[in-house]
This record gives sequence, C-alpha cells and structure tokens, in this order.
Amino acid sequence: RKEVEQDPGPFNVPEGATVAFNCTYSNSASQSFFWYRQDCRKEPKLLMSVYSSGNEDGRFTAQLNRASQYISLLIRDSKLSDSATYLCVVIHSNDYKLSFGAGTTVTVRA
Amino acid sequence: DADVTQTPRNRITKTGKRIMLECSQTKGHDRMYWYRQDPGLGLRLIYYSFDVKDINKGEISDGYSVSRQAQAKFSLSLESAIPNQTALYFCATSDSSGLGTGPYEQYFGPGTRLTVT
Repeated sequence: RKEVEQDPGPFNVPEGATVAFNCTYSNSASQSFFWYRQDCRKEPKLLMSVYSSGNEDGRFTAQLNRASQYISLLIRDSKLSDSATYLCVVIHSNDYKLSFGAGTTVTVRA
Repeated sequence: DADVTQTPRNRITKTGKRIMLECSQTKGHDRMYWYRQDPGLGLRLIYYSFDVKDINKGEISDGYSVSRQAQAKFSLSLESAIPNQTALYFCATSDSSGLGTGPYEQYFGPGTRLTVT
C-alpha cells in the first residue's frame, strides 16, 4: 500500500462549480500536511498548508481528519485557471521527509 | 531570475553514459533535495542534504550519487545511465529556520527532463 494515496481523477467540472477530493495516508505518525499544485509537468508549487482545525485560503478549503487519516481539498467557484494536478504531501514526525501522492487532476471547463 | 535553477532542462543520453544534473539556488536555504517524477507514481526522493557537510539517501538512491558543492549548489549524477532512469527530475530547497511548517515548505526548480535511450 502506498503511503499517500489520491484519486487520480480527472475531475472535470464547469466554471463556477465546487470540486472536492481527498488524500489518504497510512502512517499514523504523520505530522504535517500540505497541498501543492502542479501545472502540466512544471514544478510543483505550494498551495497551502493543512492545519488540524482546517483552514481556508480564498476559494480553497483544506481539512484534516486524523481519526480516518485523510486530508481534503475543496475548491469553490472554480476558475479555468484552477485546472492543474493537486499533490498531497505528508510529513512524518520520525524523519521529517516528505511523501508525495501521485496527484489528482482537475480540469475546469468553460 | 528564478530562485531555484536547474541545468540542463532537457537531456537525451545513451545507456551507460555518465550524466550530471545541476541545481543552484539564490534563496539562501540550507536544505536541498533531489526528486524524480514518473507518471502515476508521484515524486520520489532520491537524495537530500541539510547542509554542506550532510548527505542522506532517499527512498530510491540506487544508481545515483550527489555532491553538495556549496550551500547554493547540489548536483545529481547518474554514473551509468539506464533506460528506467528516464524521468522528470526536480531539485527543491527548504529553510530549516522557517517558523511553524516553514522548514517543510519546499521550493522546486523547473525540472530536468531526462531520456535515456
């Protein structure tokens, strides 16, 4: 079983729609969590950290569920520019290395 | 100018050749990393370095070596390239002095697309 698993998608949504997807992790010692965005095989860029209480950044909302070992990302009022692959990243408390999911692809259509 | 640069950006080489990928950064970060990305597998850590005198293996270090020539430079070598090393390679940096989750926030270079024939 992979340490970090994501539904690869693609999630095809119209502009203005809400889209949400999860990422599950297997190591209960995981400490920190992030969402990165990657455009068309370019470099990943940090989108947002995920805090225990959940957090928002504009149209993006991230949630953490430690009991079920998953994090989620919700995008409201989708824009064409939100089309990308979203990478889930988990950090373990024992070695502080990052584990990346394979990514969830979102395509927003006009 | 980009904060993290990688050279070359694209490279085609033959099986058995030695190749070096270079990474430079102007962010002043102490930590540097090399990853490879393959379709459907996500990024996998090859090597990482927390300072100039520190080198650590990642999950897939076999067939690779690294050199941290200075705080700003971290190079990856394939001693004898093989076709299954064809991938997109990323260098990344992070700052151990960052607050909160700062030390874990990584900044990536633009990537090197390597093809081994």
